[in-house]
Amino acid sequence: QQQVKQSPQSLIVQKGGISIINCAYENTAFDYFPWYQQFPGKGPALLIAIRPDVSEKKEGRFTISFNKSAKQFSLHIMDSQPGDSATYFCAAGGLGNEKLTFGTGTRLTIIP
Amino acid sequence: DSGVTQTPKHLITATGQRVTLRCSPRSGDLSVYWYQQSLDQGLQFLIQYYNGEERAKGNILERFSAQQFPDLHSELNLSSLELGDSALYFCASSKSSLSNIQYFGAGTRLSVL
Repeated sequence: QQQVKQSPQSLIVQKGGISIINCAYENTAFDYFPWYQQFPGKGPALLIAIRPDVSEKKEGRFTISFNKSAKQFSLHIMDSQPGDSATYFCAAGGLGNEKLTFGTGTRLTIIP
Repeated sequence: DSGVTQTPKHLITATGQRVTLRCSPRSGDLSVYWYQQSLDQGLQFLIQYYNGEERAKGNILERFSAQQFPDLHSELNLSSLELGDSALYFCASSKSSLSNIQYFGAGTRLSVL
């Protein structure tokens, strides 16, 4: 019930294209859904996050889409650039349960 | 720079040994979290401390222990090390016990030979 399932495991997108990474969760007590970006040799860095009272949140080229009824959320990277090449993790957390449950990660590669 | 400091960056040790990983949280953050990241398991939550007290426990082995000191830095102790303990260990911090927003350090890479 605490799992967060992330797909795909790896993704190759052409420069300028849209990268889409999907996550699904089971526990309806989750109410905080962040995405983290991790470059090799670095720790995960918070990229963007959403709470379930909205269906979409946009920050620059990054958008989270959230579907509460389906218990799914996704990260869209518009106009993907080579500098976006990294591993992306979705996560879920709940009020009063501060720990985050992470997805297994997606290795994104943007090719010229 | 997240403001979370982890030392050392790398550790190489032998099976059966004991090591200590150190984490200094961001200024003003009271909560510290420890995660293990291995190639096939992603990020696994180990344990959380809030203002010196254990707050939540995840998949932490009995051979592992942690504590948070009065100055809020935290240490993760790993003992009787096995080859399978080789991984990246991350520390994260957040402002309060109710904040989900966590900032990660750069990690300690542990290699058990």
